Amino acid sequence: GQQVMQIPQYQHVQEGEDFTTYCNSSTTLSNIQWYKQRPGGHPVFLIQLVKSGEVKKQKRLTFQFGEAKKNSSLHITATQTTDVGTYFCALFGNEKLTFGTGTRLTIIP
Amino acid sequence: DTAVSQTPKYLVTQMGNDKSIKCEQNLGHDTMYWYKQDSKKFLKIMFSYNNKELIINETVPNRFSPKSPDKAHLNLHINSLELGDSAVYFCASSRTGAWNEQFFGPGTRLTVL
Repeated sequence: GQQVMQIPQYQHVQEGEDFTTYCNSSTTLSNIQWYKQRPGGHPVFLIQLVKSGEVKKQKRLTFQFGEAKKNSSLHITATQTTDVGTYFCALFGNEKLTFGTGTRLTIIP
Repeated sequence: DTAVSQTPKYLVTQMGNDKSIKCEQNLGHDTMYWYKQDSKKFLKIMFSYNNKELIINETVPNRFSPKSPDKAHLNLHINSLELGDSAVYFCASSRTGAWNEQFFGPGTRLTVL
């Protein structure tokens, strides 16, 4: 099946620092979604990327889809305590979403 | 108004018991899903249904039996519970097709003793 690696597995940052998580696939993707799960919560959809090289922004969050459509990244500028949680990429293929391993972000105030 | 709801929120039971988790969505979606999230936070699809029809059965043991009485409900029944079944189970829904944004329920934390 699809292999979906996310790095890093954990990231601890000082409040105000930037944060990036990377998602890598062994296959070419038709689209990729990103979700955020707060501690004790459920995954919440953030965005979907479809086009090669696509870049989308949501306030301090920047999402990028690789040119070869095999990888993606999520970058958060100037992290805040509300950014705490686990960020998952999710790849569509074979009629289902395959979730990445997730990156758990903790913020040091 | 809760979009995707699950009951119960917590479930603690003994090995060998049978239990059910219920899920309902009021979003008018055609597709519903069950996911399992283990203690390492890995989130894995178990089943998907579209308009009450099974689409995905992701090599889940047949002790797990989903049932969709109508397109707004997808329940999960588990027979002969095992220790390894302990996890958080999430129900989700989307418009037709898993490539669409998925809306997750609050989860059911199952603990098997």
